[in-house]
Amino acid sequence: AQSVTQPDIHITVSEGASLELRCNYSYGATPYLFWYVQSPGQGLQLLLKYFSGDTLVQGIKGFEAEFKRSQSSFNLRKPSVHWSDAAEYFCAVELDAGGTSYGKLTFGQGTILTVHP
Amino acid sequence: GAVVSQHPSWVICKSGTSVKIECRSLDFQATTMFWYRQFPKQSLMLMATSNEGSKATYEQGVEKDKFLINHASLTLSTLTVTSAHPEDSSFYICSAEGTSGSLDEQFFGPGTRLTVL
Repeated sequence: AQSVTQPDIHITVSEGASLELRCNYSYGATPYLFWYVQSPGQGLQLLLKYFSGDTLVQGIKGFEAEFKRSQSSFNLRKPSVHWSDAAEYFCAVELDAGGTSYGKLTFGQGTILTVHP
Repeated sequence: GAVVSQHPSWVICKSGTSVKIECRSLDFQATTMFWYRQFPKQSLMLMATSNEGSKATYEQGVEKDKFLINHASLTLSTLTVTSAHPEDSSFYICSAEGTSGSLDEQFFGPGTRLTVL
């Protein structure tokens, strides 16, 4: 079964500092890959996604992620964090349409980001 | 972007009672909706896939007789927790896919906090 691991439960950074959130997945083929952000009282919002092609993906709010097949990783990055980025971040994978899990997302455990002024 | 609402946002009930949670796509039609459960400090776990006009597909380990799902229209899916017990206390989140059939994105509701006394 596919699995997603986010090794860091909680990360604290200073405003303006760079950020990298780690995500590793376990699956034989390359799944579709996603990063979501969850703020209190709000639904998960999609930051970016990778289906195929360029392994460096640009998302909203200045986020980007790089897919590395050799490392089965899809780490999320941002060069300069803003206080409003404080939230919980989830990495997720989805099997492709040729599999049996069409539309089903498997989520990592989440990483809580705290931003110090 | 597309908006998904959930009602109620929180509910407290007595053990043994049933609770219904609604998930609505407000500005698009959703042929497929998903129900997730999120325990404290844990990730979202898919419970079931709900397709309009057909029976829901439940994930392994999820009791279909306890978690009744109805997807009667293209904008509404309901989850009924029957004979709720304290161990059912959790955060229930729904998501919806559009009728385009695209794998692009699931839109998430803000979640419903269920507390069973």
